[in-house]
Amino acid sequence: EPEVTQTPSHQVTQMGQEVILRCVPISNHLYFYWYRQILGQKVEFLVSFYNNEISEKSEIFDDQFSVERPDGSNFTLKIRSTKLEDSAMYFCASRVRGGTSVVQYFGPGTRLTVT
Amino acid sequence: RKEVEQDPGPFNVPEGATVAFNCTYSNSASQSFFWYRQDCRKEPKLLMSVYSSGNEDGRFTAQLNRASQYISLLIRDSKLSDSATYLCVVTSTGNQFYFGTGTSLTVIP
Repeated sequence: EPEVTQTPSHQVTQMGQEVILRCVPISNHLYFYWYRQILGQKVEFLVSFYNNEISEKSEIFDDQFSVERPDGSNFTLKIRSTKLEDSAMYFCASRVRGGTSVVQYFGPGTRLTVT
Repeated sequence: RKEVEQDPGPFNVPEGATVAFNCTYSNSASQSFFWYRQDCRKEPKLLMSVYSSGNEDGRFTAQLNRASQYISLLIRDSKLSDSATYLCVVTSTGNQFYFGTGTSLTVIP
């Protein structure tokens, strides 16, 4: 069964550094998402991406964040100048286009620890 | 005002019990509704979509009440493997999805 993959599974970085989190969505999916989940809190939407541009973004997704689909398979989330409060699980998700189904499938997540 | 609200629980129930979770959403334009389950430190996994007429998948039954903006999940004959956090998820456009805080369930032997 096809699945969303994410790398790395765990990333430790120092405050102020830049990190890039990588995702490979399911191959025939056309909508891509990033979410974060701070430990013990709810899953929060960051951004959705379709047709090589951002469809929607939340208030959390400020200038510190950017997304890219550099090569037609990877979907990346870049976090610049990381802060302690960026420590969280970051989940990538994808879904097919069209029809009545908007079901998303999630990757296993990247745990980001900012020290 | 929160987009999606759930009772966080925890719910501790014996094996074989029936348990119900509720969820309310604030945006009347919401179009699609889901229940996901999340195991500790894992990704959310789709449990079931929720349809207007209500739907059932084995021991799981989901109901939607658009007038009250309320979604429910019923689990019958609880198994130990049902222990998880259950997430209510709502979207209006398919571009932004809103998650509830989740309801924690522990099924006790």
